[in-house]
Amino acid sequence: EAQVTQNPRYLITVTGKKLTVTCSQNMNHEYMSWYRQDPGLGLRQIYYSMNVEVTDKGDVPEGYKVSRKEKRNFPLILESPSPNQTSLYFCASSFMTGHGYTFGSGTRLTVV
Amino acid sequence: GDSVTQMEGPVTLSEEAFLTINCTYTATGYPSLFWYVQYPGEGLQLLLKATKADDKGSNKGFEATYRKETTSFHLEKGSVQVSDSAVYFCALSAPIFANAGGTSYGKLTFGQGTILTVHP
Repeated sequence: EAQVTQNPRYLITVTGKKLTVTCSQNMNHEYMSWYRQDPGLGLRQIYYSMNVEVTDKGDVPEGYKVSRKEKRNFPLILESPSPNQTSLYFCASSFMTGHGYTFGSGTRLTVV
Repeated sequence: GDSVTQMEGPVTLSEEAFLTINCTYTATGYPSLFWYVQYPGEGLQLLLKATKADDKGSNKGFEATYRKETTSFHLEKGSVQVSDSAVYFCALSAPIFANAGGTSYGKLTFGQGTILTVHP
């Protein structure tokens, strides 16, 4: 089954404790992206990647890092999480413009 | 920059009522347009799409027509069901870069989402 898999689904952590949210896709898509969803703000792009070792900032990259060492994986790293990063995070991948994006099931992160 | 504006919700309807959720956009170039649906506790699923002017996307009884002259992509359904209760997002993707093979990619820009609740 074609899918984007994120882990974990739920995470509660403390301020400053580094964490990684994993994302993997099995569709051989070149393009992958991370979004955060906040009430009243819709979804905002954090980072995206066009291919292995090619990444760039989205609209809200502050406080996040990403890496793309393999085509299928695109982890999101929070080096020093803060409470304003409490949000619902989605990973997505795409074949190309116009084909739509496949989203993961989301990771609900709470930073206390 | 690119932007998407959706009608504010929440929208509450009775079963079998007609649904319209308005969506207008601002973009340079010729974007592709999408409607995504998010059921409670789940990720976003592509509901329908249109890639050029006058295209009509349709799926599960939902329809939307790409209107370039009014820069709109309104979502409609003739008879909603309780199972349609969800959050609906309008989005656009305008090609902003291409790889060496000529395949173009674009960032998805979302509207704020519209909560739809359908009562029996």
